[in-house]
Amino acid sequence: QSALTQPASVSGSPGQSITISCTGTSNDIGFYNFVSWYQQHPGKAPKLIIFEVSHRPSGVSDRFSASKSGNTASLTISRLQTDDEADYFCSSYTTSSTPAFGGGTYVTVL
Amino acid sequence: QVQLQESGPGLVKPSQTLSLTCTVSGGSINSGGYYWSWIRQHPGKGLEWIGSVYSSGSTYYNPSLKSRITISADTPQNEFSLKMTSVTAADTAVYYCGRAEYSYTVDYWGQGALVTVSS
Repeated sequence: QSALTQPASVSGSPGQSITISCTGTSNDIGFYNFVSWYQQHPGKAPKLIIFEVSHRPSGVSDRFSASKSGNTASLTISRLQTDDEADYFCSSYTTSSTPAFGGGTYVTVL
Repeated sequence: QVQLQESGPGLVKPSQTLSLTCTVSGGSINSGGYYWSWIRQHPGKGLEWIGSVYSSGSTYYNPSLKSRITISADTPQNEFSLKMTSVTAADTAVYYCGRAEYSYTVDYWGQGALVTVSS
């Protein structure tokens, strides 16, 4: 069982927006602003798309945005595209000085 | 551009030792204050942090795996390695190496190496 809780799947139509939640505790998401999100296409390595709650690395589309409230972080994908179909994992630094990951959410573009 | 590449046996027998090496190019593992990390992904599952070696040589391990793992760095070769003892089928996974910052945000990943534990 993963330390952070994500829905198993989310779906949306092209052009729509979807939001993925990531729920932790006051020992991880609720304590630090070190939440990251990764995109993973089938058979590929994860790719960092958000760091420190809401920052995008250079080259990542601005259709990806993220935020945090209390113990829950959220990733929003706007103007959904077929290439967005992938697994999305959240991660947070914890008070144990270790990282925790979510179980992943598969995004289906209908 | 930093690149990482895992290498090692794809098949390990139960009770034996899993050994993987990550070769880094485009950056030195003993500079920059990064955590050179191992992360694994069980088939169809989420990610699990295994442990990291800091650029100074200090190591940090997942408490649930600590008794079985050793991560070390070979700075002349610009590589770091993972050894996991007494493996079982539950250790079958894709093993990734990556470069992480102090918050363990992994900004560069290797392509991954599937390791199957089976007799």
